[in-house]
Amino acid sequence: QVTLRESGPALVKPTQTLTLTCTFSGFSLSSGGMCVSWIRQSPGKALEWLALIDWDDGKYYSTSLRTRLTISKDTSKNQVVLTMTNMDPVDTGTYYCARLSTSYFYGMDVWGQGTTVIVSS
Amino acid sequence: DIEMTQSPSSLSASIGDRVTITCRASQGITYYLNWYQQKPGKAPELLIYAASRLQSGVPSRFSGSGSGTDFTLTISSLQPEDFATYYCQQSYRSPRTFGQGTKVEIK
Repeated sequence: QVTLRESGPALVKPTQTLTLTCTFSGFSLSSGGMCVSWIRQSPGKALEWLALIDWDDGKYYSTSLRTRLTISKDTSKNQVVLTMTNMDPVDTGTYYCARLSTSYFYGMDVWGQGTTVIVSS
Repeated sequence: DIEMTQSPSSLSASIGDRVTITCRASQGITYYLNWYQQKPGKAPELLIYAASRLQSGVPSRFSGSGSGTDFTLTISSLQPEDFATYYCQQSYRSPRTFGQGTKVEIK
């Protein structure tokens, strides 16, 4: 069974750096064709794709946020970490991680439950 | 970036209605188009991948079609559990953009 779980601080102050961890099980990110993405959703808004890391350590970012984002993986711990610098209240929302694979033509077939982040002083 | 445009943004429908949601990509994405359903307070769920392939466990009343730039999600007979927001997303090229969503409400 494939599962993903997001973790990180619920509250961050403006200008701080957010670090989120996605801990997964049931698959290996070192297997060819496997990827993990981060997606966020501001309250009442649409889904916004943030970043992706693949089995070959390829890293891809949202164009508008690329200067603030870093994605990395620790294959031995089955974790993917996303950092976002210079947090602002507009970054408040729910952050999800999800698995992608070639089996689903890179559709995100399993999602974590999401973690809510509030940016406030 | 590839821009994904969904229409309509919202719709009201009755149980048993046939519902169609469209998604247009700003450039050709072959069949790398996915559809997700999201209910309030829940994570999205994959309904359709590769434009027309039904995810395991998804009812057959859901179907997808299209290729290139124009795609459609159809619910053949709307059920109470289908009231939700639906998103298209392209997986052709990074950044992997989403549409703005279509909220399906009860008439």
